[in-house]
Amino acid sequence: QKEVEQNSGPLSVPEGAIASLNCTYSDRGSQSFFWYRQYSGKSPELIMSIYSNGDKEDGRFTAQLNKASQYVSLLIRDSQPSDSATYLCAATAGNNRLAFGKGNQVVVIP
Amino acid sequence: NAGVMQNPRHLVRRRGQEARLRCSPMKGHSHVYWYRQLPEEGLKFMVYLQKENIIDESGMPKERFSAEFPKEGPSILRIQQVVRGDSAAYFCASSHDQIGDIQYFGAGTRLSVL
Repeated sequence: QKEVEQNSGPLSVPEGAIASLNCTYSDRGSQSFFWYRQYSGKSPELIMSIYSNGDKEDGRFTAQLNKASQYVSLLIRDSQPSDSATYLCAATAGNNRLAFGKGNQVVVIP
Repeated sequence: NAGVMQNPRHLVRRRGQEARLRCSPMKGHSHVYWYRQLPEEGLKFMVYLQKENIIDESGMPKERFSAEFPKEGPSILRIQQVVRGDSAAYFCASSHDQIGDIQYFGAGTRLSVL
């Protein structure tokens, strides 16, 4: 079983719509969760961090964490063409290392 | 306020040569992590270091790979006798000293093995 799974294929959303990304994790001991954005050929850039159950909002981004279901999600409101990227879900997995999902590619269509 | 600095950005090596990748953490950060990203794959943890100590090397291949973070100077990821399968993007990240703290990534070193 993979530590962090992002199963959805590429996601195409019209400009201005909401993009919804999901992620599950296997280690119940994970305490910290992150969403990173990675443009093609670039390095991961932190979008959101979340540590407790519930929602956390930052601008157009909302992260949701449900530890009972071992589930993390990211909503991008009012999607912009500049949001077109791969979004990586990550969870701490012992000794502070991060376990990453394979990522979800988002394409915002103008 | 410089971020995580990695060099070189691109490195080309022939099979059998050595590759040395350098990483200077963000100012004030004492924790360094190395990750590898193979084409079409996610980021994979390799090693976690603090100054002069390897904390977790569970993701490091058993042979040819080594890492250090000396008291003075950058962290070094060393790959001996490179093979084509080592071609990847190698990212360094750093964090402050708290467990669960945010890891900030450098621009990466893209290694190509001919």
